[in-house]
Amino acid sequence: EAGVTQFPSHSVIEKGQTVTLRCDPISGHDNLYWYRRVMGKEIKFLLHFVKESKQDESGMPNNRFLAERTGGTYSTLKVQPAELEDSGVYFCASSLGPGPYEQYFGPGTRLTVT
Amino acid sequence: DQQVKQNSPSLSVQEGRISILNCDYTNSMFDYFLWYKKYPAEGPTFLISISSIKDKNEDGRFTVFLNKSAKHLSLHIVPSQPGDSAVYFCAAKGGYQKVTFGIGTKLQVIP
Repeated sequence: EAGVTQFPSHSVIEKGQTVTLRCDPISGHDNLYWYRRVMGKEIKFLLHFVKESKQDESGMPNNRFLAERTGGTYSTLKVQPAELEDSGVYFCASSLGPGPYEQYFGPGTRLTVT
Repeated sequence: DQQVKQNSPSLSVQEGRISILNCDYTNSMFDYFLWYKKYPAEGPTFLISISSIKDKNEDGRFTVFLNKSAKHLSLHIVPSQPGDSAVYFCAAKGGYQKVTFGIGTKLQVIP
């Protein structure tokens, strides 16, 4: 069974540009999460989808971040326009359920904004 | 405001000895605790979890202990192996709420 995949693995963009990150969860996992880890800090929750609906987006930093999950399959996270403080590793995770279910993480996308 | 705290950024242990990683939390609403292991350039991998109704959960060489009154949990790895060298994240959640992670502890097991 394929795990959670993320694309690209690494992105370097200039401040003010737009970047779109993609996450493909494990097939059959209705729950999809986005997290971000800024260097040396904790992994921080961004948002949670249940199928195509946003269940919790309390962690989204600001309105420059837009997450979508059309059709309840893969998800995209767009940053527009990117700022220097957006640099970090963006992880996607998926799980069968929202409760005490194990979340399976993807390898992450390392975003560098210069 | 860090609700999950891992105060030791790094830990070195000899192969074969016990590794003890510690974690403190502040949110009384947390009722489920997890440990994740992370290798460089990979995503975190679930290791072991414990519900707040228990005080110990064991899985092979890994044991997690929970002290609710002290709001403290620990991960014991016995015996430690070089392949255990990684960053270990303590995490917690309350009900169906989001998972809150600590900052991580880098474990190095010396052969």
